[in-house]
Formats: sequence, structure tokens, C-alpha cells
Amino acid sequence: EIVLTQSPATLPLSPGERATLSCRASQSAGNFLAWYQQKPGQVPRLLIYDVSNRASGIPDRFSGSGSGTDFTLTITSLEPEDFAVYYCQHRSSWSFGGGTKVEIK
Amino acid sequence: EVQLVESGGGLIQPGGSLRLSCAVSGVNVGTQYMAWVRQAPGKGLEWVSVIYSLGDRKYADSVKGRFTISRDKSTNTLYLQMNSLRVEDTAVYYCARAYGGLDYWGQGTLVTVSS
Repeated sequence: EIVLTQSPATLPLSPGERATLSCRASQSAGNFLAWYQQKPGQVPRLLIYDVSNRASGIPDRFSGSGSGTDFTLTITSLEPEDFAVYYCQHRSSWSFGGGTKVEIK
Repeated sequence: EVQLVESGGGLIQPGGSLRLSCAVSGVNVGTQYMAWVRQAPGKGLEWVSVIYSLGDRKYADSVKGRFTISRDKSTNTLYLQMNSLRVEDTAVYYCARAYGGLDYWGQGTLVTVSS
């Protein structure tokens, strides 16, 4: 099983700033890495699949990158609706990371 | 349009059993990878189980031997049979379709295990 470690746990930022979220895998994750957004009281939403592919309807300010064991979700300019918790997931072992909360500074 | 609707949650005593259902529309449950994911109150997402299109199944270590995933192609429904429930199984349970990532999710059903 691949263990995913996300950092930081909390990321305080202001609207308009760039967000960089990290997801580290305990072993090579291939290209099977996905990212999700979850707002309070809502269902998780798929943002990125297979490292860098945006899901349907996801704005291009969201991008994913990385390889091997180190992956990144970047939000180029935070909109008010982007403040949420973000999870990475390995879609072969199915495990989730612990999440990063992007909060308003 | 793909829609998933869970049902079957509720309050159950430790050691009890519960079966969750996920009614699927818009895709054929028999040709998809379908998963269950749970979220304990105030906690992160935890993958529970997956059933592959050819019928293979996989479980998280935390539920292996207690939970069983299944599907009914005639009614296009996904199930999660949960036995020997523990307090730590308390969570919102989501069903989801896996294609690339988990791209369609139900609204979730709350399972509370408490005496």
C-alpha cells in the first residue's frame, strides 16, 4: 500500500495569492495521482487525475505536476471559493493523503 | 448524467450489521470501477472498498473481513455489507465512480455506531 503524506496541514493565504500543495508518496506512484477539493458540508470534487489532467469543468488556475514520489497541486491565483480542504489520492492503491486546508490569512 | 444516491445509514450498536445501498443512474454499474469512501466526523477521507469492472474486489485493512462490496447489475445498485461494526466505523459513507479519479460521488449516508 502506498502511503501519501500531504504538507502543509494548513496553508494560510490571501485571495489572489499562489497556493502550492505537496503530496509525497511512500513509493513510486507512477502517474496514478489525483487531487480533490472538499468544502465544508459538501461532497469531494475531483480536480486533477493522472497527475496533471484537469477534470471536467475545473478552471485552469488549478494544475497538477510531479512524478515518482513527489507531486504538487498549484492554484495560480486564489479565488474566494478556493478556500477548502484538498486531498491527494493514489488511484491504484486507493489511499488518500491526510489533506491540506487552504484558509484565509 | 451520472447520479449516485446512497441509502441505508443509521444508528447501530457495536457488533451490529448494516447494508448500505447506492442507486446508480447514467452508467452501468457492471462495467465500472465503483468504490466506497468514508469520512469520520471532522476527519479526512478514507477509502473503504472498490469493485472492479470484472468483479475483483479490494478492501482497506481496517474493514477487511468485516465489510463486503457487491453489485446488482439488474437494478444497477452498489452495496456495502458491514458486519461486526465498531465505534470507529462511524462516518459518512460515500459511493463513487472511479474513472481516472473518483469523478462522480453520491451525497453520502451517515452511519453511527454507538451503544
